[in-house]
Amino acid sequence: GDSVTQMEGPVTLSEEAFLTINCTYTATGYPSLFWYVQYPGEGLQLLLKATKADDKGSNKGFEATYRKETTSFHLEKGSVQVSDSAVYFCALSEGISGTYKYIFGTGTRLKVLA
Amino acid sequence: DSGVTQTPKHLITATGQRVTLRCSPRSGDLSVYWYQQSLDQGLQFLIQYYNGEERAKGNILERFSAQQFPDLHSELNLSSLELGDSALYFCASSVRDYTDTQYFGPGTRLTVL
Repeated sequence: GDSVTQMEGPVTLSEEAFLTINCTYTATGYPSLFWYVQYPGEGLQLLLKATKADDKGSNKGFEATYRKETTSFHLEKGSVQVSDSAVYFCALSEGISGTYKYIFGTGTRLKVLA
Repeated sequence: DSGVTQTPKHLITATGQRVTLRCSPRSGDLSVYWYQQSLDQGLQFLIQYYNGEERAKGNILERFSAQQFPDLHSELNLSSLELGDSALYFCASSVRDYTDTQYFGPGTRLTVL
């Protein structure tokens, strides 16, 4: 069945370090891919998304490219800030012949130190 | 603020009881989703309603049920509660379908004693 696998956390970085959080997926068809972020005590909010192969989503310095050949959607940021400390979720959604699926990864906690 | 509201914020109840969680989607959104977030299971999709009709079902227990009303708000009913049902329950809404961004509410924390 469909699944999303993301790297285990926590990830601890110093401010201005480069960030990569790996995400790979398995899907039956052509899913849409998302990165959501959850700050302490809050609901999830969209960080970026891509709906077809080779699309690049970007927002607030974060980027991820939909790679169909490697079934990946890795999240990157060139220079992290303390305010980026949060839990990051990779997710896919798919609709095939009237059947819809919404699958989230287990989340990766990021801690950025000043 | 996502525009999605959930009530109550916290709920404490006993095993065997029944509770109802309420969700109001963003204005104009037709789809409502329910998720359960627990430490051991992560974020699990429970069910989706689109314009009043059930559209997708995930890992929802038979003791749980949901509905979406004509004004598009939704309720999640949890019955015969067990200790393991203690979790954070999120509602999300989107404009239409699976390619859309989901906007999450702040969640309802359920504690079953």
